[in-house]
Amino acid sequence: AQSVTQLDSQVPVFEEAPVELRCNYSSSVSVYLFWYVQYPNQGLQLLLKYLSGSTLVKGINGFEAEFNKSQTSFHLRKPSVHISDTAEYFCAVLNTGTASKLTFGTGTRLQVTL
Amino acid sequence: KAGVTQTPRYLIKTRGQQVTLSCSPISGHRSVSWYQQTPGQGLQFLFEYFSETQRNKGNFPGRFSGRQFSNSRSEMNVSTLELGDSALYLCASREETNSPLHFGNGTRLTVT
Repeated sequence: AQSVTQLDSQVPVFEEAPVELRCNYSSSVSVYLFWYVQYPNQGLQLLLKYLSGSTLVKGINGFEAEFNKSQTSFHLRKPSVHISDTAEYFCAVLNTGTASKLTFGTGTRLQVTL
Repeated sequence: KAGVTQTPRYLIKTRGQQVTLSCSPISGHRSVSWYQQTPGQGLQFLFEYFSETQRNKGNFPGRFSGRQFSNSRSEMNVSTLELGDSALYLCASREETNSPLHFGNGTRLTVT
């Protein structure tokens, strides 16, 4: 079985400051990793994904994440946040192979203020 | 391409009733998954359909069921509604097994 831990339920940050949202996962097999963002009253939008190759992955809206296999982490970063980045962020893991469901973390609420 | 479309956006039902939610995946996507999102439990996997067959199922009671049609559209049904079924129900589609999920905007179900 796989699991995802997002230790921070809320992260307050000032506009133009850097931010890191933490994600750790647990799995007995190889995984694919994803970050999704959810704005109020909307579904989830894919920010970025790690399937293979370079461990540093760049996504939309200036976000990036680094896959660290030894630490089983996939932290999300942005060097300078904007008010519009205020949203809920979900980390998710998918075991490689067939018929596998996506498992989500509990989410991190990023609150950007002036 | 059009995104994942879920209808209706909002539903209000009373306890004991049943409800059917609809999902149209992105054109060409044969896999459709359903998730329940609540403040207390977060995102929980309900089931996944691929080419009209249920391929994976989460830990929900039998009151929750689904199906997929030959055009890949999917429906989810909840019978004998309970107050705890109030949630945002999200549908997602993907091209292949290991492709990212693309989500719709969800159906907000309120049970009174």
